[in-house]
Amino acid sequence: SQTIHQWPATLVQPVGSPLSLECTVEGTSNPNLYWYRQAAGRGLQLLFYSVGIGQISSEVPQNLSASRPQDRQFILSSKKLLLSDSGFYLCAWSVGTFRYYEQYFGPGTRLTVT
Amino acid sequence: AQSVTQPDIHITVSEGASLELRCNYSYGATPYLFWYVQSPGQGLQLLLKYFSGDTLVQGIKGFEAEFKRSQSSFNLRKPSVHWSDAAEYFCAVGATGFQKLVFGTGTRLLVSP
Repeated sequence: SQTIHQWPATLVQPVGSPLSLECTVEGTSNPNLYWYRQAAGRGLQLLFYSVGIGQISSEVPQNLSASRPQDRQFILSSKKLLLSDSGFYLCAWSVGTFRYYEQYFGPGTRLTVT
Repeated sequence: AQSVTQPDIHITVSEGASLELRCNYSYGATPYLFWYVQSPGQGLQLLLKYFSGDTLVQGIKGFEAEFKRSQSSFNLRKPSVHWSDAAEYFCAVGATGFQKLVFGTGTRLLVSP
């Protein structure tokens, strides 16, 4: 069966510091991968998605970037964190044509920027 | 562009009572519709989905949802709520040709004894 991992689970970082969050998927090949941010009371905001290695689509202009160096690895980064980057970051995957939109989520990373 | 509205931010239901969470979507063609549940500090779990066919779909944990095209709605229901159902519930819509889902802002369910 497929599993999705995210780390770290929690992170406290000062403003201006760099960020790297990692997501990996097991048990499937060529998944579509997604990064979401969840801020209190604002639901889920899609940040990036990727349909293959090196293919990244950005949904909103922001202080973050994403990379996909391997088929089942998705990384969210920032060179300098802002206070507004605080939130709960979720990685998700989907696979297949008909099931393109059925996404499965990881456990999330709670980021607090101080 | 597609959108999803969940008009209720919070709902409180007594344990054992029935539940209905509302979801309205905006999309010109037949949508793909989903309900997810999120326990505090956790990721989202897929409860059920609608792609086509029977408009009443069954999901996990005793939940069901009904797609009503005329009302652009996909409401989630459960006949008898358990305390463990307390969580946040998200409705989402996907569209043909896109790899993305659009989520509503969620409804937080509180279950009273």
